[in-house]
Amino acid sequence: GAVVSQHPSWVICKSGTSVKIECRSLDFQATTMFWYRQFPKQSLMLMATSNEGSKATYEQGVEKDKFLINHASLTLSTLTVTSAHPEDSSFYICSARSSGRETQYFGPGTRLLVL
Amino acid sequence: QKEVEQNSGPLSVPEGAIASLNCTYSDRGSQSFFWYRQYSGKSPELIMFIYSNGDKEDGRFTAQLNKASQYVSLLIRDSQPSDSATYLCAVNRSNDYKLSFGAGTTVTVRA
Repeated sequence: GAVVSQHPSWVICKSGTSVKIECRSLDFQATTMFWYRQFPKQSLMLMATSNEGSKATYEQGVEKDKFLINHASLTLSTLTVTSAHPEDSSFYICSARSSGRETQYFGPGTRLLVL
Repeated sequence: QKEVEQNSGPLSVPEGAIASLNCTYSDRGSQSFFWYRQYSGKSPELIMFIYSNGDKEDGRFTAQLNKASQYVSLLIRDSQPSDSATYLCAVNRSNDYKLSFGAGTTVTVRA
């Protein structure tokens, strides 16, 4: 149980394009999904929190217009990196938790490389 | 002061030994504590969580929590080469479900 998937696992794109990453909870309903970013040799940094049916809340310093988050259902959240630039290249990881439980289960992550 | 601090390591232990990982946190209101393992190039996977003071054992892993000292640890008994990874301590923030992560401790188990 508690399986979270992400798609795609790898993205290579040109600077200026937009990239959409999907996060799905496969065997539970995810009340809340979290989006993290991890640069090499660094720990996870929370970017934003999304609750099903409501607007995402962003951490300080994260541009909401650049990182668009949609959590339209209890099993799917998407992160769109708009007008991606090389400095957006990173490992993007989502996690999900179900109602009444604090444990977060992580997806396998998406590696983004912006050329 | 960082919210969650861990010894960065690397921690090198021989196969079969005990690996001891430490973590301190600054938010005295935190109630939930998690240990995740992250292999190189992969996302974190949950090892165990602990909510109450004392010890909690799960197989070869034991988590220890001392809220008065704001300290949580993880012991890995009978360490195996497959335990070589970065271990992340995560602490919930008071009154919400967000987690603050430590920088991680890299463990290398020598065969």
